[in-house]
Amino acid sequence: LAKTTQPISMDSYEGQEVNITCSHNNIATNDYITWYQQFPSQGPRFIIQGYKTKVTNEVASLFIPADRKSSTLSLPRVSLSDTAVYYCLVGERTGGSYIPTFGRGTSLIVHP
Amino acid sequence: NAGVTQTPKFRVLKTGQSMTLLCAQDMNHEYMYWYRQDPGMGLRLIHYSVGEGTTAKGEVPDGYNVSRLKKQNFLLGLESAAPSQTSVYFCASSRDSSYNEQFFGPGTRLTVL
Repeated sequence: LAKTTQPISMDSYEGQEVNITCSHNNIATNDYITWYQQFPSQGPRFIIQGYKTKVTNEVASLFIPADRKSSTLSLPRVSLSDTAVYYCLVGERTGGSYIPTFGRGTSLIVHP
Repeated sequence: NAGVTQTPKFRVLKTGQSMTLLCAQDMNHEYMYWYRQDPGMGLRLIHYSVGEGTTAKGEVPDGYNVSRLKKQNFLLGLESAAPSQTSVYFCASSRDSSYNEQFFGPGTRLTVL
């Protein structure tokens, strides 16, 4: 099971782009990279998932280099409501009984 | 669709008491999970189920039992509550694999005195 490493916290300001990088040096061939967002007093919410190169949805972009040993979640033009904890998970998507490991995540604080 | 619901939302127990937390999902998902989250910590997996009638241990299973008698329900039991089990408990479900999108419930805040 691939271990992930993320910064514990980050600060930003409204309107800026925020990039959170996750390191996963021992990612396996079949592993996908998934990001979740958690607001205080709520359960985590799925943001985005990818396997390689770039994935974009209405909320964020996920950049994965060719060696897949890291990934970067990009949040364009953040607002105060993007203040949350962001978790990076790595694991195989098809079947199996892998235990998802959320870790402590990255606490993002967006300032006015 | 209600998604994932949890009952109760809050509970206070005395040491040694027992209780059951109920999780229900209406998305016909195969996989269901119970996590706990302590202050400043990420989520830790307690038990999970890959289908009706099956359960498996996660990272921190001691002191908890689970049952999945119906596909839509996943029960978490505390037979003899301890103060160390004071936490926020989240239930989640996913269509199949653990790494497909998980849908989380609103959480249950449990305090053991």
